[in-house]
Amino acid sequence: DTGVSQDPRHKITKRGQNVTFRCDPISEHNRLYWYRQTLGQGPEFLTYFQNEAQLEKSRLLSDRFSAERPKGSFSTLEIQRTEQGDSAMYLCASSHTGAGADGYEQYFGPGTRLTVT
Amino acid sequence: AQKITQTQPGMFVQEKEAVTLDCTYDTSDQSYGLFWYKQPSSGEMIFLIYQGSYDEQNATEGRYSLNFQKARKSANLVISASQLGDSAMYFCAMRELNYGGSQGNLIFGKGTKLSVKP
Repeated sequence: DTGVSQDPRHKITKRGQNVTFRCDPISEHNRLYWYRQTLGQGPEFLTYFQNEAQLEKSRLLSDRFSAERPKGSFSTLEIQRTEQGDSAMYLCASSHTGAGADGYEQYFGPGTRLTVT
Repeated sequence: AQKITQTQPGMFVQEKEAVTLDCTYDTSDQSYGLFWYKQPSSGEMIFLIYQGSYDEQNATEGRYSLNFQKARKSANLVISASQLGDSAMYFCAMRELNYGGSQGNLIFGKGTKLSVKP
């Protein structure tokens, strides 16, 4: 169990550029979540996948955001035409379905910190 | 709508003493789970403890215990024998336990910054 990994850890980009982040969940986990955390706030849900199906998207996920999870393994989050308001920590988490705490606990990756200049 | 409220932006505690971090929640669901996560300055979210809405016993994990008062909709975290390494942000979170549906995300509070003094 190597944990949830995210790449890159830090990204600085200019306003208007596109960026893509990658998340590799724990291998046996079928659920994968994306959250966004701004300074002084708790994480806010963006979207989640069960296997390769994107089951829910928050209204925070504007048309400039898109997420994929091909083959139900790793996931990518792309932000097009970045804006300064997109600057945040983007967190990925994974879990597996099932009963008990193990089925509900989400394991988080270290996050990707995006700075839009 | 579900909501988590953490009213303590910051807390101080003396090393080796116990501290309680407050969390209240709002939901109309009967079945839900409550979580506490720790976020050190390095940024990763570390799971600490879980309480299901139907669990009659308060959850405990080592030095962490969750004081669950369902009627008051509170789920306070108690850390016993505080250590310097406990200094971090602490987030309370809630999730619906919907076995067949699509709800899966956690709703987080704004967090409490705990500082442990030597």
